[in-house]
Amino acid sequence: NAGVTQTPKFRILKIGQSMTLQCTQDMNHNYMYWYRQDPGMGLKLIYYSVGAGITDKGEVPNGYNVSRSTTEDFPLRLELAAPSQTSVYFCASSKGQGPYEQYFGPGTRLTVT
Amino acid sequence: EDQVTQSPEALRLQEGESSSLNCSYTVSGLRGLFWYRQDPGKGPEFLFTLYSAGEEKEKERLKATLTKKESFLHITAPKPEDSATYLCAMPQGGSEKLVFGKGTKLTVNP
Repeated sequence: NAGVTQTPKFRILKIGQSMTLQCTQDMNHNYMYWYRQDPGMGLKLIYYSVGAGITDKGEVPNGYNVSRSTTEDFPLRLELAAPSQTSVYFCASSKGQGPYEQYFGPGTRLTVT
Repeated sequence: EDQVTQSPEALRLQEGESSSLNCSYTVSGLRGLFWYRQDPGKGPEFLFTLYSAGEEKEKERLKATLTKKESFLHITAPKPEDSATYLCAMPQGGSEKLVFGKGTKLTVNP
C-alpha cells in the first residue's frame, strides 16, 4: 500500500512553460486535494475533488487547472508558469465526507525562473 | 473568517524538557481538529484527530487535548527525533476543506 505518490520530486521550469504534476492514491479515497506550501505561509488549498469528474476551486486556484477522470489520479496542470508559482506542492486524499484526516504525498518542489 | 493560529512559531527544548504547543481557532462550528507532523522535505504525517471539547489522544510522548477555543499538543520528555514542524488544521465551515495553521517548528537538542 503506497498511499499517496507524487511525481516528479523536483522540477525547474522557465517562465511561460507548462507542466503537469502527477498524483496517485491507492487507498480508494473519494476526496483528493492539491496544496501549495510557501515558507512561513502554511498550506494553501489550490483545488480539490470529491470524486471522479467533480472538482472545485480552493483558496488559490489562479494559474492552475485540475481534472479527475479516475478515483486514483488527480493531476495538477500549470499553464504559463510564473515565478509566483515557485513552491512545494502537496497532494492529499481522504475517505470522504466526515471530516476525515487527510493523507499527504511526499511533495513536488517546483522552481520557476 | 475561519482562522487557525499556532504558537509559538518556533520552540527549542533540551532533551527531556517537557512543553506544550498551542493551536487556537476561530472556526465556526467545531467539527474536528487535526494534528500533523512534518519533517523537512516531506509531506505532513497525520498524528491525531480530536472531535469534541474535552477529548484527549496520546501517542508515545505526544498528547493532544481540545477545548472549545484551542488545542494543545503536549510533549513529554522529548527526544531529538521529535524535532519537526507540527501543524494543526480544522475543517472550514461545513466543508471538507481544511484550514491549516502555519505550524510550530520544534527543535529538541540532545
